[in-house]
Amino acid sequence: SAVISQKPSRDICQRGTSLTIQCQVDSQVTMMFWYRQQPGQSLTLIATANQGSEATYESGFVIDKFPISRPNLTFSTLTVSNMSPEDSSIYLCSVNRQGFDEQYFGPGTRLTVT
Amino acid sequence: AQTVTQSQPEMSVQEAETVTLSCTYDTSESDYYLFWYKQPPSRQMILVIRQEAYKQQNATENRFSVNFQKAAKSFSLKISDSQLGDAAMYFCAYRSGAGGTSYGKLTFGQGTILTVHP
Repeated sequence: SAVISQKPSRDICQRGTSLTIQCQVDSQVTMMFWYRQQPGQSLTLIATANQGSEATYESGFVIDKFPISRPNLTFSTLTVSNMSPEDSSIYLCSVNRQGFDEQYFGPGTRLTVT
Repeated sequence: AQTVTQSQPEMSVQEAETVTLSCTYDTSESDYYLFWYKQPPSRQMILVIRQEAYKQQNATENRFSVNFQKAAKSFSLKISDSQLGDAAMYFCAYRSGAGGTSYGKLTFGQGTILTVHP
């Protein structure tokens, strides 16, 4: 398995500000994924982050709003920019090691925008 | 695009009884994986069980088993001898077996809230 940590675990932010969420994995992984879970809803993939290349965003998500960094094989950050109350969600980091079937999730970051 | 549907928003079960959660999916692919995840109030996503589409045998993990009907595109989860700790939101998820840009991406169903009564 993979141990994944996320910082912060939760935060309350004012609209118009930005928050950067960190994801740290205990082993090297090729691909890291960022998901959003809006209140009472399912998980939706925001983007895929590969080391050494630009993140790939899913339909409805743009780099200006959710910039992602992937400086090495164990770490990634997701920034939620110019936040509005609609950005209040749980943001989860996930990894999949090449050749392994399981997909592992971090504990999530609960973001509330006031 | 693949879709995953969980038609039961909420389910309940008595402790020690058996409950089945339903999931259907739509795909044109032949190579894929299916998963059930559990999300307790702590919000940690926990993998319960997985099924490879090429395997005919249904996966089992202790008290958890699946009924995988590939032709019907159905993937239900059976929880036997339910325990209070099983109470959580359960998500069904699909992952393509293809490489490239599809690799590793999960598509989730809407979720089913399971309540376990003592």
